[in-house]
Amino acid sequence: AQSVTQLDSQVPVFEEAPVELRCNYSSSVSVYLFWYVQYPNQGLQLLLKYLSGSTLVKGINGFEAEFNKSQTSFHLRKPSVHISDTAEYFCAVSLLLDSNYQLIWGAGTKLIIKP
Amino acid sequence: DGGITQSPKYLFRKEGQNVTLSCEQNLNHDAMYWYRQDPGQGLRLIYYSQIVNDFQKGDIAEGYSVSREKKESFPLTVTSAQKNPTAFYLCASSIRAGGTEAFFGQGTRLTVV
Repeated sequence: AQSVTQLDSQVPVFEEAPVELRCNYSSSVSVYLFWYVQYPNQGLQLLLKYLSGSTLVKGINGFEAEFNKSQTSFHLRKPSVHISDTAEYFCAVSLLLDSNYQLIWGAGTKLIIKP
Repeated sequence: DGGITQSPKYLFRKEGQNVTLSCEQNLNHDAMYWYRQDPGQGLRLIYYSQIVNDFQKGDIAEGYSVSREKKESFPLTVTSAQKNPTAFYLCASSIRAGGTEAFFGQGTRLTVV
């Protein structure tokens, strides 16, 4: 079965420190990969996406992610976090299965910035 | 500005009543989606529509109904058959059904009182 695993439900980190939010997926077919951010009581906003090409993808707000096909991972990184990065982050995978596209979501990781 | 508009932002419903959540997009997207979000459970797909006049059940469709009579509109009705309707509901759209990003509305928080 296809699945997306976000390995940490919460990640506490000090302001200005680097952070990595982990995402692994299980799929036997080609995938498209996305990271979204959700601030409290709001909708989701796209941070970055991997569709094809370079495996290192840069997004908004200084975030980047690297697609690793052999490890089926798409970890999100930021070299120096700010208090405004406090939010929940979702990894998602789009894949074509039985002639239908499916969008599979991870359970989310809450990023907690400590002053 | 193009985008997705959900209304209302907050909604209160008495037990046993049906309620309809609105979702409108002016992005000219073919595909639209409804998700339910509960704390610690991520997003769960209720219904999706790949084209006008067509829609499919998602993972948790029981107690919900939708229509897609116009490209820009995809309303969700939460019926009295939904056992635990209190949740945050998110509408999204994408240019096509797969391989592209989804754009989200600001959500509707439904509370049953």
